[in-house]
Amino acid sequence: QLQLQESGPGLVKPSETLSLTCTVSGGSISSSSHYWGWIRQPPGKGLEWIGSTYYNGRTLYTSSLESRVAMSADTSKNQFSLKVNSVTAADTAVYYCARHLLLGDNPDYFDAWGQGMLVTVSS
Amino acid sequence: DIQMTQSPSTLSASVGDRVTITCRASQSIDIWLAWYQQKPGKAPNLLIYKASSLESGVPSRFSGSGSGTEFTLTISSLQPDDFATYYCQQYITYHTFGQGTKLEIK
Repeated sequence: QLQLQESGPGLVKPSETLSLTCTVSGGSISSSSHYWGWIRQPPGKGLEWIGSTYYNGRTLYTSSLESRVAMSADTSKNQFSLKVNSVTAADTAVYYCARHLLLGDNPDYFDAWGQGMLVTVSS
Repeated sequence: DIQMTQSPSTLSASVGDRVTITCRASQSIDIWLAWYQQKPGKAPNLLIYKASSLESGVPSRFSGSGSGTEFTLTISSLQPDDFATYYCQQYITYHTFGQGTKLEIK
């Protein structure tokens, strides 16, 4: 059974870089049928897609965060990661990693999610 | 960017009721729409994809319809476990979620 687990610091200082890793078990991130994505949810608010990565290094980012975000995949560890630089309090959120199906040229809906991890930006 | 707007934001209903949630896209997304259910403190759970396809394991009381810019999620007979927040998501061009609809017990 596929499982995704987010890990990383739960507290990040303003202006620093938020770094999270998603470890995948029960499946391979080298799958040609899937993309791997990050979604965040500020406390009490809705869901925001941040971006997604493919095993070959292809990445897609939402336009509002593109200048501050980087994602990558490490197939040897079956992990993928997220970095958001120059964080502010507005980046405080629960961060989810998730799997997309890839049925065409671009990733589709999310069919599996990690449990989520709260990251707080505060000094 | 494609914007997704859900209505209502909050819906009060009783067990056994039939309820409908609407999601509108700012431009045509054909049938490339998914619906998710989220309970407090939990990750979203996929219910419907491609506007009307039921995800495996999801009860048949959930159904989706629509195409283009207007979509609906219907729960035919509310069960206690269905009180949650529901989100739509377009995936024709990147990914955008609606703002959510909270389904409350009346």
